[in-house]
Amino acid sequence: QKEVEQDPGPLSVPEGAIVSLNCTYSNSAFQYFMWYRQYSRKGPELLMYTYSSGNKEDGRFTAQVDKSSKYISLFIRDSQPSDSATYLCAIGGNNRLAFGKGNQVVVIP
Amino acid sequence: GAVVSQHPSWVICKSGTSVKIECRSLDFQATTMFWYRQFPKQSLMLMATSNEGSKATYEQGVEKDKFLINHASLTLSTLTVTSAHPEDSSFYICSAIRAGGTYEQYFGPGTRLTVT
Repeated sequence: QKEVEQDPGPLSVPEGAIVSLNCTYSNSAFQYFMWYRQYSRKGPELLMYTYSSGNKEDGRFTAQVDKSSKYISLFIRDSQPSDSATYLCAIGGNNRLAFGKGNQVVVIP
Repeated sequence: GAVVSQHPSWVICKSGTSVKIECRSLDFQATTMFWYRQFPKQSLMLMATSNEGSKATYEQGVEKDKFLINHASLTLSTLTVTSAHPEDSSFYICSAIRAGGTYEQYFGPGTRLTVT
């Protein structure tokens, strides 16, 4: 079983829609949870990070963690064409991150 | 803050030659840096963890004699791909953890290596 599972299927949404992304993980020892955004041919950019179960909001972005289910989500409200990118979940502990495969998101104007 | 740079951003080399990639934390000190490799439409694969002043820790399956890592200062780590082959062509990305900070990794922009 992989440490982090993220369905890599591409996702196309119309501008203004809510984007919902999620990952599951297997190691309950993981302590922190992050979402990165990666534009084509660029390095990942840290979007959100959290260390506890519950919701964390930052502008149009909400990260949700459910440690009991080992499930994390990212929601993007009022999506914009500039949100078109690949989103990777990253889950970690002991100075090490395990990444999901990434979801390519396309926001159509 | 938390800017990481990489140089070069793009390099083409001939098979059998060596290539050095630099990773710098520009506005913070990084006790730990990481090197990843990413193939097209794939996720990031950790190659090694580099701690300042000590030997790098390589992930299983990564040849330490082929991918030489040096972390000589709190702001610089280098990855040297020795005797490069076409199958080493990939996108190499470094990241850094801020000294005294928590666990967030800040990534460089990546280096695209093409071996002909």
